[in-house]
Amino acid sequence: QQQVRQSPQSLTVWEGETAILNCSYENSAFDYFPWYQQFPGEGPALLIAIRSVSDKKEDGGFTIFFNKREKNLSLHIKDSQPGDSATYFCAANDNNAGAKLTFGGGTRLTVRP
Amino acid sequence: NTKITQSPRYLILGRANKSLECEQHLGHNAMYWYKQSAEKPPELMFLYNLKQLIRNETVPSRFIPECPDSSKLLLHISAVDPEDSAVYFCASSRTGNSGNTLYFGEGSRLIVV
Repeated sequence: QQQVRQSPQSLTVWEGETAILNCSYENSAFDYFPWYQQFPGEGPALLIAIRSVSDKKEDGGFTIFFNKREKNLSLHIKDSQPGDSATYFCAANDNNAGAKLTFGGGTRLTVRP
Repeated sequence: NTKITQSPRYLILGRANKSLECEQHLGHNAMYWYKQSAEKPPELMFLYNLKQLIRNETVPSRFIPECPDSSKLLLHISAVDPEDSAVYFCASSRTGNSGNTLYFGEGSRLIVV
């Protein structure tokens, strides 16, 4: 059973548009949700993260909207650039799991110039 | 990313034994091995905190981790199987507790022929 789900699997937007990546989860105990960005041939790198006590987190052009009741969250990438083309992983963690992250399947984003 | 170095970067094996090496220069206490198969998210294999193995996911016994000191991590693989073809990422975090940022190395790509 997949505990963290992402949609869509792939997304194409034009340069300057806002890309919206969705994530939902099953485990109510999850309380920390990082998003990792991965470029081909590289390891994932933390982009932005939110804790379940917040409903919004912004960092530069990246914003997470979090809905605890619905158990879903989304990553908005404002003014998308071709350099934002990458795979984005939503992940989740809870205190009982220690440092173990549960990753979603990823969304491959392509930003066309 | 020179803060977490992995070697070798590429490895082509035919049922031989080999060790992957990782060293982190971040002063972190927790180190991890992740496996990432094509088009999949990273999957946790092992987690060490302060040189102690604290998480050992369902991994075939031909994978044996070793943590000689808190900045180094090894993964010994004996009699590789074609299903082992993947990228193996080393990662580290400040502690082994939840909510910590994971920093990933650039990966070791293993191809089993």
